[in-house]
Amino acid sequence: DAKTTQPPSMDCAEGRAANLPCNHSTISGNEYVYWYRQIHSQGPQYIIHGLKNNETNEMASLIITEDRKSSTLILPHATLRDTAVYYCIVRVARVGGYQKVTFGTGTKLQVIP
Amino acid sequence: SAVISQKPSRDICQRGTSLTIQCQVDSQVTMMFWYRQQPGQSLTLIATANQGSEATYESGFVIDKFPISRPNLTFSTLTVSNMSPEDSSIYLCSVDGSRQGGNTEAFFGQGTRLTVV
Repeated sequence: DAKTTQPPSMDCAEGRAANLPCNHSTISGNEYVYWYRQIHSQGPQYIIHGLKNNETNEMASLIITEDRKSSTLILPHATLRDTAVYYCIVRVARVGGYQKVTFGTGTKLQVIP
Repeated sequence: SAVISQKPSRDICQRGTSLTIQCQVDSQVTMMFWYRQQPGQSLTLIATANQGSEATYESGFVIDKFPISRPNLTFSTLTVSNMSPEDSSIYLCSVDGSRQGGNTEAFFGQGTRLTVV
């Protein structure tokens, strides 16, 4: 069963920040929050991940609540190329520590000109 | 990081036939994963393939329908057997790899878009 809950769709104006929420209330202490996106007709692409601290990279920022039961992916200045389905996943992050990754339904983000 | 190549990228097949999808990784990996993505849906794990052992299938997927080979640490195949239109999906190969800092990341191929007519 999916461990995350996301809104099915969101719109965002081009140039604005896109804030994508995710609920993961049953997250375990050793599980990280990962975000991937899937642009039409491509394989999923890694965006960012975090354990409990907020994280930022060249693509996005990840804000995780103190109780770790939810998080928000922030695309600071959305462009048309950010139109995609965004998946929030929880999983262990240790290489070799296999854990089945279950994809939820994701959020379809539409960036509007 | 890991670069994954899948072949074919797309195919149109007649019902009742079989298609074998190839997945090549540019580095040695212990586990390879096969996913199915039906039209408009999310990804569903079909099976996990370890080199030197039989694949482990998820609920709802069986070896007779989706036989998997894993001859070495960089290659795997998934066969979709006796196809029907319901098998029309994107099939994706995935591996885990290391990110900077030691954490893992899932890498995906570009997928094989299968249409069964």
